[in-house]
Amino acid sequence: DTAVSQTPKYLVTQMGNDKSIKCEQNLGHDTMYWYKQDSKKFLKIMFSYNNKELIINETVPNRFSPKSPDKAHLNLHINSLELGDSAVYFCASSQVGGGGHEQYFGPGTRLTVT
Amino acid sequence: GENVEQHPSTLSVQEGDSAVIKCTYSDSASNYFPWYKQELGKRPQLIIDIRSNVGEKKDQRIAVTLNKTAKHFSLHITETQPEDSAVYFCAAKRGLITGGGNKLTFGTGTQLKVEL
Repeated sequence: DTAVSQTPKYLVTQMGNDKSIKCEQNLGHDTMYWYKQDSKKFLKIMFSYNNKELIINETVPNRFSPKSPDKAHLNLHINSLELGDSAVYFCASSQVGGGGHEQYFGPGTRLTVT
Repeated sequence: GENVEQHPSTLSVQEGDSAVIKCTYSDSASNYFPWYKQELGKRPQLIIDIRSNVGEKKDQRIAVTLNKTAKHFSLHITETQPEDSAVYFCAAKRGLITGGGNKLTFGTGTQLKVEL
């Protein structure tokens, strides 16, 4: 009965590889997000999808590509991984339609690039 | 775009004392201000939020105040307990009507340590 889930929880990979992180929410929300939390704990929005449509696309390298196959899923694919991509990536969801505000976060995926 | 500043970056209090964390925001169109608590290795979780039509909101030991004119808001925790130790984040967001795509801009976080 987990509300927002992510896989994998940990990801260790070498520079230059391509990897994906998956996110699923069972809250029936219409909007999903990807955040990056760096080693200093700064939380920064990367992308947001509303009903499978990209609505927020912050200044993120083109190596990062989100994909939303349906309202309940938002995946993040990263090409040509770099050392600076090491961080914790959080997925979140909220119900924007109807005036909802609260964003529910997933457990995070700790990505380590060596 | 929105810029949220948060102070202090670290805060150490004795158990039972009060803790206050302050944030300022830059976008006068922001109208929703949540506070998230993140325990070590865990996800951020909403603990309290306030909308711009309200000046203060309280939930047991936690309260948030908002000064729209000065564009700052604060989190107050009374009678602190060891389990309050965590990183606290403030955030700000515009309403959908004013644009922004439901984007939450977070402050830089405050590491609160409650000592016995």
